[in-house]
Amino acid sequence: AQSVTQPDIHITVSEGASLELRCNYSYGATPYLFWYVQSPGQGLQLLLKYFSGDTLVQGIKGFEAEFKRSQSSFNLRKPSVHWSDAAEYFCAGSNDYKLSFGAGTTVTVRA
Amino acid sequence: SQTIHQWPATLVQPVGSPLSLECTVEGTSNPNLYWYRQAAGRGLQLLFYSVGIGQISSEVPQNLSASRPQDRQFILSSKKLLLSDSGFYLCAWSVGDNQPQHFGDGTRLSIL
Repeated sequence: AQSVTQPDIHITVSEGASLELRCNYSYGATPYLFWYVQSPGQGLQLLLKYFSGDTLVQGIKGFEAEFKRSQSSFNLRKPSVHWSDAAEYFCAGSNDYKLSFGAGTTVTVRA
Repeated sequence: SQTIHQWPATLVQPVGSPLSLECTVEGTSNPNLYWYRQAAGRGLQLLFYSVGIGQISSEVPQNLSASRPQDRQFILSSKKLLLSDSGFYLCAWSVGDNQPQHFGDGTRLSIL
């Protein structure tokens, strides 16, 4: 079945430290891949997308993600986390109309 | 620019009552429209999607239905709500298949 998996349910990181969120996909062909962020009680905001081409994708808010076909991964990174980055992060994949979401990773930022 | 509006933001309904949640998109034509449900602590479950007026596809058999009476209007309904219908409902749009989906702010539905 086509799916996206986020292995980490919860990550705690210190402000100013780097952050990496893992995402693995399982698709017959390379899917379109996305990362979204959700603040409590809000909708989802698109951080970045990967369709093809350069495997390192830059997004908003200082985030980037790297597509690695050999590892079936699309991990999200940020070099220096700010307290405002505390939120839930969702990886998603699509190869038609349907967007399949991972279960999400909650990020807590400590001072 | 495109915007998506979803209302109400919160709703408390008794079991067995009807439901109508509305979503409208501005600034684009013939969008794909989607309804999702997000249960507490879980990911998003696609409920319905639509590629045009009157065209609705259901992903999960359930107590809910959707309609698209106008190009940029998407309505989620129920004739009789169940306790299990509680959750956070999100509407989204995209310009087409495999394109990023853009989400509304969601409706928190509590069933008593």
